[in-house]
Amino acid sequence: QVQLVESGGGVAQSGGSLTLSCAASGFTLRTFGMHWVRQAPGKGLEWVAFLRYDGIKKYYADSVKGRFSISRDDSTNTLYLQMNSLRDEDTAVYYCAKQTGGGYSGYDLDEWGQGTLVTVSS
Amino acid sequence: SFELTQSLSVSVALGQTARITCGGNNIRNVNVHWYRQKPGQAPVLVIYRDTRRPSGIPERISGASSGNTATLTISSAQAGDEADYYCQVWDNRTAWVFGGGTKLTVL
Repeated sequence: QVQLVESGGGVAQSGGSLTLSCAASGFTLRTFGMHWVRQAPGKGLEWVAFLRYDGIKKYYADSVKGRFSISRDDSTNTLYLQMNSLRDEDTAVYYCAKQTGGGYSGYDLDEWGQGTLVTVSS
Repeated sequence: SFELTQSLSVSVALGQTARITCGGNNIRNVNVHWYRQKPGQAPVLVIYRDTRRPSGIPERISGASSGNTATLTISSAQAGDEADYYCQVWDNRTAWVFGGGTKLTVL
């Protein structure tokens, strides 16, 4: 059974850093593309970052490009999101999500974690 | 960039049919996926590639896409269908895009 469990959320200072983790079980991360999606309080879903199955190709939303970095550890089957230069507008629940295919195009996100809350305080 | 437009809210009487739309330029040319999110919970995939249902999603939930509009249809609406619904596409210029979400209320 597929399971995604996020951790690492909390309160961070504006300009500070935080690293989120997403522990995956029931499947191998290197087989599928993986995403981070966030949701600000009372707002809709916003795509943040994508890591292709090969762990090489990475894509970011313009709002986080140059500040956030997606990666994974195959030995622990864990996905990460390193967040630097945090801003107030980064406050959100962050979800990791698995897509149904490994590549970069058109796939749906078929499994989601429960999310972890990041609060950026100035 | 590819933008998706959803109505903020839709209301439906218990047992009736709800239709939630997602507008986008030539949306028929891309795969549209739909997610349901109940308060305090993670999103759940309910329709993928315009019309396909994941296992466990009842047949009374269906999807369609034509022209500039994709539609999620929920027949025989139940109280448990109350949720926010999001459409999502991938576009080679904009990458992954979500619609703003539609709040479905069952009266």
